[in-house]
Amino acid sequence: DAGITQSPRHKVTETGTPVTLRCHQTENHRYMYWYRQDPGHGLRLIHYSYGVKDTDKGEVSDGYSVSRSKTEDFLLTLESATSSQTSVYFCAITSTGRDEQFFGPGTRLTVL
Amino acid sequence: QQQVKQSPQSLIVQKGGISIINCAYENTAFDYFPWYQQFPGKGPALLIAIRPDVSEKKEGRFTISFNKSAKQFSLHIMDSQPGDSATYFCAASPSQYQLIWGAGTKLIIKP
Repeated sequence: DAGITQSPRHKVTETGTPVTLRCHQTENHRYMYWYRQDPGHGLRLIHYSYGVKDTDKGEVSDGYSVSRSKTEDFLLTLESATSSQTSVYFCAITSTGRDEQFFGPGTRLTVL
Repeated sequence: QQQVKQSPQSLIVQKGGISIINCAYENTAFDYFPWYQQFPGKGPALLIAIRPDVSEKKEGRFTISFNKSAKQFSLHIMDSQPGDSATYFCAASPSQYQLIWGAGTKLIIKP
């Protein structure tokens, strides 16, 4: 699993509440990614990071923000959760010079 | 165009048969084409990958065929086994450290 953990693994929340998902890695990888996975859409990139405090938007970034204050942690925040953000969220990592992305176990988020 | 189109959405194959999943892309600048395998409740994991300077890559029972002129690539699983039942994703890299993903194919191998 390339030393990647995600927390929480499951969460149910209500519309309008803020939610923060955490991705933690133990192997000092430079690049970290947040994806959402929905049936029929594959994996869609939300935000990614190429270093501490260096982040950029992906194709579906609206309604999401991220922070990376330490190499090992990449946080995804839903500022005001909506039902359309019900999804499975995956964190992934890769290193300089590598093409392969390694994925965490995922977080299943349900917004009621 | 940054899309990767994957087909079919689902596939049922008899044990011992050949499973074939296809992907097509538009952007000729894509330079890396991986296939990932995902089991229920798990994250995707790299299965096999190819670059556009070769037309085929084989690893065990898994083969990628790549057609640069047609902008298509496919995954072939020979002698398909029940343990191969999973969701498969193709992807393409528009730039280093970025991947554009296909929508996925759910493969079921019938014993």
